[in-house]
Amino acid sequence: DGGITQSPKYLFRKEGQNVTLSCEQNLNHDAMYWYRQDPGQGLRLIYYSQIVNDFQKGDIAEGYSVSREKKESFPLTVTSAQKNPTAFYLCASSHDNGTGANVLTFGAGSRLTVL
Amino acid sequence: SQQGEEDPQALSIQEGENATMNCSYKTSINNLQWYRQNSGRGLVHLILIRSNEREKHSGRLRVTLDTSKKSSSLLITASRAADTASYFCASRAGGYNKLIFGAGTRLAVHP
Repeated sequence: DGGITQSPKYLFRKEGQNVTLSCEQNLNHDAMYWYRQDPGQGLRLIYYSQIVNDFQKGDIAEGYSVSREKKESFPLTVTSAQKNPTAFYLCASSHDNGTGANVLTFGAGSRLTVL
Repeated sequence: SQQGEEDPQALSIQEGENATMNCSYKTSINNLQWYRQNSGRGLVHLILIRSNEREKHSGRLRVTLDTSKKSSSLLITASRAADTASYFCASRAGGYNKLIFGAGTRLAVHP
């Protein structure tokens, strides 16, 4: 079955540590995205990538970094510079079918807690 | 910045009743999408309506779009307990391939 796999599902981090969240898709989608969700709130865009080796900052990129070395993979690193990293992180992908209707397919999410 | 704002923030109904959720957005759009999220899970795409469409149906879902008012509504008919979830509208604003989500409506359907 095609889909998006995020790992780990739960992650605990001490203050001052960097952590990397994995996102892998086998949907052959061109675009990939990282969103952050805080309790009772909507999704805020962190980074997105339309093609391999290219990515753009979203609305809340500070304290985060990404790479897109392979079409299938878009890992997110939460650095120690992120002041309030405790949140639910969602990875998504979409296929550009030329109509601009970029429907997103989401992973199951990774919940990061800073101790 | 949030492109979409859902209303109400929370909705509680009995099974069999209809649920209506509204979404307002700020800038011109090409399309508007609705997604569902079960607690602690990823989002699932429900339906997409293009800017030149006024109404769209999918099973028990009915979506309307009023571009003059920059608003959309999602109607779930004959609701079931399994419809309990958060519902988000999302629209494309600014750059290509960039979807902006609202804060969502939390729907609770009681048996």
